[in-house]
Amino acid sequence: AQKITQTQPGMFVQEKEAVTLDCTYDTSDPSYGLFWYKQPSSGEMIFLIYQGSYDQQNATEGRYSLNFQKARKSANLVISASQLGDSAMYFCAMRVVGSNDYKLSFGAGTTVTVRA
Amino acid sequence: KAGVTQTPRYLIKTRGQQVTLSCSPISGHRSVSWYQQTPGQGLQFLFEYFSETQRNKGNFPGRFSGRQFSNSRSEMNVSTLELGDSALYLCASTFLDPSKETQYFGPGTRLLVL
Repeated sequence: AQKITQTQPGMFVQEKEAVTLDCTYDTSDPSYGLFWYKQPSSGEMIFLIYQGSYDQQNATEGRYSLNFQKARKSANLVISASQLGDSAMYFCAMRVVGSNDYKLSFGAGTTVTVRA
Repeated sequence: KAGVTQTPRYLIKTRGQQVTLSCSPISGHRSVSWYQQTPGQGLQFLFEYFSETQRNKGNFPGRFSGRQFSNSRSEMNVSTLELGDSALYLCASTFLDPSKETQYFGPGTRLLVL
């Protein structure tokens, strides 16, 4: 079974600053994928970034980067140059990769509020 | 390419009724998963369909069921609705790319049970 922990219920960040969202995970499977999703108040889950357990480099997608520390089982999301539109709920998720189990296990989420 | 679509977007039902939600995946995606999101329980996996077959099921009562059609569109049904079924129901589709298999979500259906 997979477990995701997000310990920050809410965060405030000033516009144009960077913010780091914490995510730790627990799994006994050697091959897994870690995902970050953004959920605005409208409800839709927007895929942001993916990190595979065997990826040697940290994933980056535009202003999003994932700080992957495998030994510590952490996959923190860094949002650089925050914008007002970044205000949303952010979820860390994981699943076993390469199996027929497509279940995503989600953390509780972190609410980010960007201040002007 | 169009994203995942879900209908209806909003729904109000009363206890004891049944409801059917629909999900159309991204073109070419054959796997469809359903999730329930509530303030108390967070995001929970309901089930996943691939090629019209249910491959995985979460820990939900038998009142929750689903199916997938040959065009990969999926429906989920909840019978004998309870107040606790009020939630945002999210559908996600996956293109079976071995490198990522990312799930892309639809806008969700907000169900309110009175």
